[in-house]
Amino acid sequence: NAGVTQTPKFQVLKTGQSMTLQCAQDMNHNSMYWYRQDPGMGLRLIYYSASEGTTDKGEVPNGYNVSRLNKREFSLRLESAAPSQTSVYFCASSGKETLGGRRHEQFFGPGTRLTVL
Amino acid sequence: DQQVKQNSPSLSVQEGRISILNCDYTNSMFDYFLWYKKYPAEGPTFLISISSIKDKNEDGRFTVFLNKSAKHLSLHIVPSQPGDSAVYFCAAGGDMRFGAGTRLTVKP
Repeated sequence: NAGVTQTPKFQVLKTGQSMTLQCAQDMNHNSMYWYRQDPGMGLRLIYYSASEGTTDKGEVPNGYNVSRLNKREFSLRLESAAPSQTSVYFCASSGKETLGGRRHEQFFGPGTRLTVL
Repeated sequence: DQQVKQNSPSLSVQEGRISILNCDYTNSMFDYFLWYKKYPAEGPTFLISISSIKDKNEDGRFTVFLNKSAKHLSLHIVPSQPGDSAVYFCAAGGDMRFGAGTRLTVKP
């Protein structure tokens, strides 16, 4: 099992460019999430998807769109990148009940480091 | 509006001693709390959790304590090992509000 995979690992964009961050999980989880991590801010939820076909806004959705392509894949799109979107982006997934009955435990991918110039 | 706060950005302890990481929250509706550990260039990994119906949960060297009246939780690591050096995040609630993290350094 690969767990949660993210591509690309690194990306540099110019202001105004667009790109899509890809995320896939092979754990048959219903829920998937996109976070950004900034220094001193912890992880902040951008969007989440509780099940295939549904998406909802998190704390910081402005400037982003998402697509839950199927149960496995959840992509994050920046339509017109801005320097304020320079961050490390993490995708995560969770099942309804995980091993040992641990609710809400999320499994994270390795992250995408994005720089917008 | 940070609903989960980790006020200590860093903590340094000697190998074999106890590490205590603290977390405060403001939303009394939070009913579940988790601690994650993060190494550089990796995603966070789950460490331990606690439900609001409990005040303590233990897993090997790791114990989480919850004080609901103070809206405070803490993670105790005993004994601390150099491999525990990482950033620790607390998270709370169904939509997982994260604290800013505490960088723990365990010195040999």
